Amino acid sequence: GAGVSQSPSNKVTEKGKDVELRCDPISGHTALYWYRQSLGQGLEFLIYFQGNSAPDKSGLPSDRFSAERTGGSVSTLTIQRTQQEDSAVYLCASSNQGRNSPLHFGNGTRLTVT
Amino acid sequence: GESVGLHLPTLSVQEGDNSIINCAYSNSASDYFIWYKQESGKGPQFIIDIRSNMDKRQGQRVTVLLNKTVKHLSLQIAATQPGDSAVYFCATVGAQKLVFGQGTRLTINP
Repeated sequence: GAGVSQSPSNKVTEKGKDVELRCDPISGHTALYWYRQSLGQGLEFLIYFQGNSAPDKSGLPSDRFSAERTGGSVSTLTIQRTQQEDSAVYLCASSNQGRNSPLHFGNGTRLTVT
Repeated sequence: GESVGLHLPTLSVQEGDNSIINCAYSNSASDYFIWYKQESGKGPQFIIDIRSNMDKRQGQRVTVLLNKTVKHLSLQIAATQPGDSAVYFCATVGAQKLVFGQGTRLTINP
């Protein structure tokens, strides 16, 4: 079956512009996560969805970042007024078995803010 | 706060040798641990997991060891192959989300 799909795979944008990143989780997976990975770094948690609700959005770096999930499936991560420090790979993952189960990751969206 | 750390940022091994990648964690309440492999340009790929009621788990060519006393886990890769070249992350569950370590880059010498 299909894995987690993210689009676009690459995005170059000018400082100050808004961007939307999309994640299609594995069908039936109720939990969805967004992480950010800067070059050569580990994964930084951004936000977690259970269904369409976001019980934990503690990792969002600022109010320029927001995310939503609709129909218990697709999620979009929006970054407003992008800054150069937003440049990173944004990874989405999904899971269907609750807290103690592995996350399945997409290949990420590489965002470059010029 | 919670943290997961790795002892070495890079590891270089000869093809055919065994590799051991180490990881320390800080939260004594952590009860689930995962190792991921990340190749260039790809997302992390699940390798193996272990729950806190176990101290060893084996997969295909991989073994994870968990020492809860010293809050340490390791990933052992047997007969390392060129395809094993990647960055390896340990992660532990905390408050509904995975907390990842910095990663160890494994390189294979022919």
